[in-house]
Amino acid sequence: QVQLVESGGGVVQPGRSLRLSCAASGFTFSAFGMHWVRQAPGKGLEWVAVVSYGGSDKYYAESVKGRFTISRDNSGNTLYLEMNSLRPEDTAVYYCAKDGEVAWPYYYYVDVWGKGTTVSVSS
Amino acid sequence: VVLTQSPATLSVSPGERATLSCRASQNISGDYLAWYQQKPGQAPKLLIYRTSSRATDIPDRFSGSGSVRDFILTISRLEPEDFAVYYCQQYVTSPRGYTFGPGTKLELK
Repeated sequence: QVQLVESGGGVVQPGRSLRLSCAASGFTFSAFGMHWVRQAPGKGLEWVAVVSYGGSDKYYAESVKGRFTISRDNSGNTLYLEMNSLRPEDTAVYYCAKDGEVAWPYYYYVDVWGKGTTVSVSS
Repeated sequence: VVLTQSPATLSVSPGERATLSCRASQNISGDYLAWYQQKPGQAPKLLIYRTSSRATDIPDRFSGSGSVRDFILTISRLEPEDFAVYYCQQYVTSPRGYTFGPGTKLELK
């Protein structure tokens, strides 16, 4: 079955860096755009970034632009989120999610989500 | 483009009908509107895409409708497992990305 498993979360000090990973299985990873979506404690969902199926096109929310980098390894079926200059407001559960259909650069909705990994930014 | 959801909290009894609203600040294509359900401690789950298409294995008591700026998620006969938070989401073309509404919490009356 289609599965997404995030890892790499943890507690980090403000200004430091962290890299999240998302291991994908059960589908042709290289055919779908992939997203990161986050949820701060007790808050709603915030879209963070997307990468097209080939990895060449990347888009970011304004709140993370210039600090976060999304990337993918299609040979290893893994999605990444490199987070630099972390701030307390980046504290959240980070979900990776798969595009609903094959499209360029990405599709209108996501149809599968991982269980998430928790990032806490605190001194 | 901003999405507004109402009400913020809806108290309903099992077996009753629930109507959740999502309003966009600008006109959007019906293809661009989706709904997700999130239960406590769980990841969101896709319910409805392209305004009215049910995702795989979603019961037919869930239905979506709407156009232009106003979209509705209807749950016709509430089951105990339907009490959750519901988010609408739109695909944005400029700047590229997604926007989520703030959510409607459906709670047991």
